[in-house]
Amino acid sequence: AQKITQTQPGMFVQEKEAVTLDCTYDTSDQSYGLFWYKQPSSGEMIFLIYQGSYDEQNATEGRYSLNFQKARKSANLVISASQLGDSAMYFCAMRGPWGQGGKLIFGQGTELSVKP
Amino acid sequence: GAVVSQHPSWVICKSGTSVKIECRSLDFQATTMFWYRQFPKQSLMLMATSNEGSKATYEQGVEKDKFLINHASLTLSTLTVTSAHPEDSSFYICSARDSLSYEQYFGPGTRLTVT
Repeated sequence: AQKITQTQPGMFVQEKEAVTLDCTYDTSDQSYGLFWYKQPSSGEMIFLIYQGSYDEQNATEGRYSLNFQKARKSANLVISASQLGDSAMYFCAMRGPWGQGGKLIFGQGTELSVKP
Repeated sequence: GAVVSQHPSWVICKSGTSVKIECRSLDFQATTMFWYRQFPKQSLMLMATSNEGSKATYEQGVEKDKFLINHASLTLSTLTVTSAHPEDSSFYICSARDSLSYEQYFGPGTRLTVT
């Protein structure tokens, strides 16, 4: 069975500082995808970044980067130069094998608060 | 970009009534759509996978007779909460998988309150 774990229920960061949100996963599949989503108070799910299990380089998207350590089964999100608008819930998710429907399974989430 | 809409965005209904939530992919076809449920400050829990033209696949512990899913076209899936009770009050989010690219896009969610 697949599992995603986010152990930080809440995080604080000073504006303009960098912050790392932790995510570990467990799967016996060789092919999988890892995602990070941002959910502001409005509830919409905003896609941030994606890492495929066979991608050798860490994914980056603007101020977001994914620190992918396959052997440790971790996929931490790094947000550089935090902004007040980054305050939100952040979810790590894993997509399982296509043969099993390619479902997205989410971690518990981390609530990030950016302080001015 | 790909857009998924949900209707209504919020709904209040009385206990014992049924409510239908629509999920539409506006600019792509989606053979597969997913329905999630989210309680405040909690994660998204997958309820079911909706497949166009066939029966939905429900996750363990989800009552299929209570949460009726219909995926009658390549752009529309509906979730009907039957005989709603206050404990069904939640945020319901759908996502649609593009049949060509396999990218998954989320709707804005529907907030259901049962009084």
